[in-house]
Amino acid sequence: DTAVSQTPKYLVTQMGNDKSIKCEQNLGHDTMYWYKQDSKKFLKIMFSYNNKELIINETVPNRFSPKSPDKAHLNLHINSLELGDSAVYFCASSQDRTGRGSTDTQYFGPGTRLTVL
Amino acid sequence: AQTVTQSQPEMSVQEAETVTLSCTYDTSESDYYLFWYKQPPSRQMILVIRQEAYKQQNATENRFSVNFQKAAKSFSLKISDSQLGDAAMYFCASSELQGGSEKLVFGKGTKLTVNP
Repeated sequence: DTAVSQTPKYLVTQMGNDKSIKCEQNLGHDTMYWYKQDSKKFLKIMFSYNNKELIINETVPNRFSPKSPDKAHLNLHINSLELGDSAVYFCASSQDRTGRGSTDTQYFGPGTRLTVL
Repeated sequence: AQTVTQSQPEMSVQEAETVTLSCTYDTSESDYYLFWYKQPPSRQMILVIRQEAYKQQNATENRFSVNFQKAAKSFSLKISDSQLGDAAMYFCASSELQGGSEKLVFGKGTKLTVNP
């Protein structure tokens, strides 16, 4: 009963291919996120969705398209993969912040290591 | 935009000793949260501790505690009685509200080595 799960955990593909990473959370959270961790371990947000609506799009190339079929799922589709896309991609989820003292801690999935050859 | 700075790329500590990891941040928000996440070699991001900025009392979680200095915008993590399992990358993060959604802004991390 993993809280935030991602598939696959490892993805190796050729430049130019299109690939998807799936994320599911069973915490009943309203908001989901995608973060990218580069080779230097730096983590940066890419997108956030709240109840299937895109809220944050952090200057990510439009080759990256998140899709949220329902509030428990947020998938990441990447077109025309480039060498620089190699990274670890983390999905996360949190409850909305409803005011002081509300829980908004983000819980992370196990990450997907994407390697583009 | 918020920034989070971790000035120690690497730290080491002897088992059973105490170590402090530094973090400073810059924010214009009045209501924000601060976090420490741990990333062991398994790469799972694990929440260690969180602090609500409006609370003056420093958060503690067992052997982990923070020294939150709001005026100085400092948020250090103290690990007491260090254990081999504490070896990991530690990331400091602050939350920023953007378009009604939170986002975490991370520091570059501190790699902690625990020596037996």
